[in-house]
Amino acid sequence: GAGVSQSPSNKVTEKGKDVELRCDPISGHTALYWYRQRLGQGLEFLIYFQGNSAPDKSGLPSDRFSAERTGESVSTLTIQRTQQEDSAVYLCASSLGGSPLHFGNGTRLTVT
Amino acid sequence: AQSVTQPDIHITVSEGASLELRCNYSYGATPYLFWYVQSPGQGLQLLLKYFSGDTLVQGIKGFEAEFKRSQSSFNLRKPSVHWSDAAEYFCAVGAGVGGNTGKLIFGQGTTLQVKP
Repeated sequence: GAGVSQSPSNKVTEKGKDVELRCDPISGHTALYWYRQRLGQGLEFLIYFQGNSAPDKSGLPSDRFSAERTGESVSTLTIQRTQQEDSAVYLCASSLGGSPLHFGNGTRLTVT
Repeated sequence: AQSVTQPDIHITVSEGASLELRCNYSYGATPYLFWYVQSPGQGLQLLLKYFSGDTLVQGIKGFEAEFKRSQSSFNLRKPSVHWSDAAEYFCAVGAGVGGNTGKLIFGQGTTLQVKP
């Protein structure tokens, strides 16, 4: 596809369960970002991948959050032992070099 | 600490009226500044960006923004608003180093409502 693709678009999970969110960046984009958007708030940076460099994990809120990316392809964001405060829209974005970010439509996570 | 403030949570304007959305930032160096728009059910779209040079920046959809260093502001303007401009608008400042130009700090957003 032409844009950043995220799946699932919606996820409802029970407190304490693990969830995995997927992001397919635009082909050829070397940089990939995960952001979180809580209801009524702006986006919060979570993690940044650039090629084979060590990721910038400075925005991950706790050790329950982790993310992986294989090369310059798909990335997964995993949240372990989900809590209600994890409910948010998780947005993925990709870019090439210093170009502007291209965002996906996000995964809306609801923890009950 | 770096931060972005959008003082207006919600703004309502009449169609055809002019628009100004305010954004103030706190950043130690020359900032990279952005405005994004988020329409219901859609992803964020970049409206315009400021990296350096001319402080008046033109964007898509007839939007412009002016960087004022003395006021630490980057306000978004449009001379005549269309009903399709109703959306949420986010101001952001680049917080990354080196090639990490996508690590952004976002404001809380301003919701724009357009009256017919």
